Amino acid sequence: GAGVSQSPSNKVTEKGKDVELRCDPISGHTALYWYRQSLGQGLEFLIYFQGNSAPDKSGLPSDRFSAERTGGSVSTLTIQRTQQEDSAVYLCASSPEAYSGNTIYFGEGSWLTVV
Amino acid sequence: SQKIEQNSEALNIQEGKTATLTCNYTNYSPAYLQWYRQDPGRGPVFLLLIRENEKEKRKERLKVTFDTTLKQSLFHITASQPADSATYLCALDGMDSSYKLIFGSGTRLLVRP
Repeated sequence: GAGVSQSPSNKVTEKGKDVELRCDPISGHTALYWYRQSLGQGLEFLIYFQGNSAPDKSGLPSDRFSAERTGGSVSTLTIQRTQQEDSAVYLCASSPEAYSGNTIYFGEGSWLTVV
Repeated sequence: SQKIEQNSEALNIQEGKTATLTCNYTNYSPAYLQWYRQDPGRGPVFLLLIRENEKEKRKERLKVTFDTTLKQSLFHITASQPADSATYLCALDGMDSSYKLIFGSGTRLLVRP
């Protein structure tokens, strides 16, 4: 597609429920990143993919968080048993390859509210 | 561990003046430093990238400097306009990996007409 697409754009869920956030990267981009941004805060790195593999999962806050990528394209971030502190904007980004000299292109984010 | 610091206080300037934002980092030597702009409710948008062996980079009204001795980058917007009002984020490659960008918390810029 023309840009990074994320869905849903907004999600309100009850504490304890599971949520899935989807990211469709720019066509041809092999690297995909997930970041989290809490209100008024900076971006917190969660995980990145090079192709379908995730060499660095160090930013995932807990074992309730998981992510997968299939076909080198779409990625899903899953949060199980959501807690109120999970409320944040979840930003996905992609780049031609996983290299810090590359620009990364962000989607508009999925706004998650846990009530 | 690596640390990236940006002024958390908003920078409030008059239209036409030059805005200067600061990004300081500690405990490592990044190969690249990038600046992004973020508008409320939107994802960050790339502005400029500067390499460790570059002192300065320009793009239209934007200028970035990179001082590896001071461990500091300055981001300048000349002839600022109200449309420049946004949050500006600096980002560096991670200390433990050159394959990811670590972001500062950003500085909000307000340009008064």
